[in-house]
Amino acid sequence: NAGVTQTPKFQVLKTGQSMTLQCAQDMNHEYMSWYRQDPGMGLRLIHYSVGAGITDQGEVPNGYNVSRSTTEDFPLRLLSAAPSQTSVYFCASSYWLAGAGETQYFGPGTRLLVL
Amino acid sequence: RKEVEQDPGPFNVPEGATVAFNCTYSNSASQSFFWYRQDCRKEPKLLMSVYSSGNEDGRFTAQLNRASQYISLLIRDSKLSDSATYLCVVAAAGNKLTFGGGTRVLVKP
Repeated sequence: NAGVTQTPKFQVLKTGQSMTLQCAQDMNHEYMSWYRQDPGMGLRLIHYSVGAGITDQGEVPNGYNVSRSTTEDFPLRLLSAAPSQTSVYFCASSYWLAGAGETQYFGPGTRLLVL
Repeated sequence: RKEVEQDPGPFNVPEGATVAFNCTYSNSASQSFFWYRQDCRKEPKLLMSVYSSGNEDGRFTAQLNRASQYISLLIRDSKLSDSATYLCVVAAAGNKLTFGGGTRVLVKP
């Protein structure tokens, strides 16, 4: 099992450019999510999905778009990059139960710098 | 006020010593609690869940105090390899996870 994979590992963008961060998992997890991690802020939820065709907004969704066409893939799109989106982005997946708090499996992260 | 708060540290710990730190949460409806470990420039990984009765995993002990709304992590006989950032995670219904900012621990020889 590869677990959760993310590409690219690093990216530099200019303000206004768009790009897609890729995330894939091979554990047949229903739940997938995207977080950004900034110094002193903890991980903040951007968007999440509880299954193919179902997505919802997290705490900081503005400027980001997601889709979930398959169980395995959950790409994150930056529509028009801004310097405030400079961050480390983590994708995570887990089983989904109606209760709270399944173990989250994180990808290795994508470091994004927006100039 | 942040939903989940942690002392950012760093906690400088001599090798072999014991270190403990807390995490406070504001949502009284929180249902599940976890400690994740994050090494420098790496992804978070689950260290342990925190149960109401408290639980141990080797040198690590986690406690939950629902009345005062905090969880704690204690590391005994600290190793150099314990140097990391420890993230407190609180979960409410619907898998809504809230992460603390992390507590940095540095174990020194």
